[in-house]
Amino acid sequence: GQQLNQSPQSMFIQEGEDVSMNCTSSSIFNTWLWYKQDPGEGPVLLIALYKAGELTSNGRLTAQFGITRKDSFLNISASIPSDVGIYFCAGRVSGGSNYKLTFGKGTLLTVNP
Amino acid sequence: GAVVSQHPSWVICKSGTSVKIECRSLDFQATTMFWYRQFPKQSLMLMATSNEGSKATYEQGVEKDKFLINHASLTLSTLTVTSAHPEDSSFYICSAMRTEKNIQYFGAGTRLSVL
Repeated sequence: GQQLNQSPQSMFIQEGEDVSMNCTSSSIFNTWLWYKQDPGEGPVLLIALYKAGELTSNGRLTAQFGITRKDSFLNISASIPSDVGIYFCAGRVSGGSNYKLTFGKGTLLTVNP
Repeated sequence: GAVVSQHPSWVICKSGTSVKIECRSLDFQATTMFWYRQFPKQSLMLMATSNEGSKATYEQGVEKDKFLINHASLTLSTLTVTSAHPEDSSFYICSAMRTEKNIQYFGAGTRLSVL
């Protein structure tokens, strides 16, 4: 089955620093999604990517859909304490009625004030 | 605001009892919803795909008689954990598929503790 490798597994940074995390896949994805999960909550969608090469921003967050369609990265600029949480990438392989997502294992971000 | 509502957020039950968790899409219709289970410090594990008006599709290793799924309307799916045991204690999360946007929106999760 599909596998997503997400790195790094965890990051400890100082407030104000930029952050970068990425996911690589063994399969081609048609959609890449980035979610953030706070403790005891469900994942919240940050950015959705639909086309190879697409670069999309949401405030201080920027994500790109890799040209090969097998990778994606998420950047967070000028981090703040509320950025703390677990970030998950997720990909969808095909169209049609198969809507299942494959999730990365997550990146735990800690921001020191 | 939230587009998917999940209830309850936390439930404690005795071993042997059944627990029902509801998942509602609030401002869109969802023919497809998903149920996940998440262990501490791990990623989401898909349990089953809930299809409106038809039987759910379970992932390999998930007991369909243990985890009953009903998707009777376009905005509501329910997961019933039958004859719960302590090993069923976990964080259960639902999502609803918004097909026109090709996005899954997640509920806030349900923490189940079986004593």
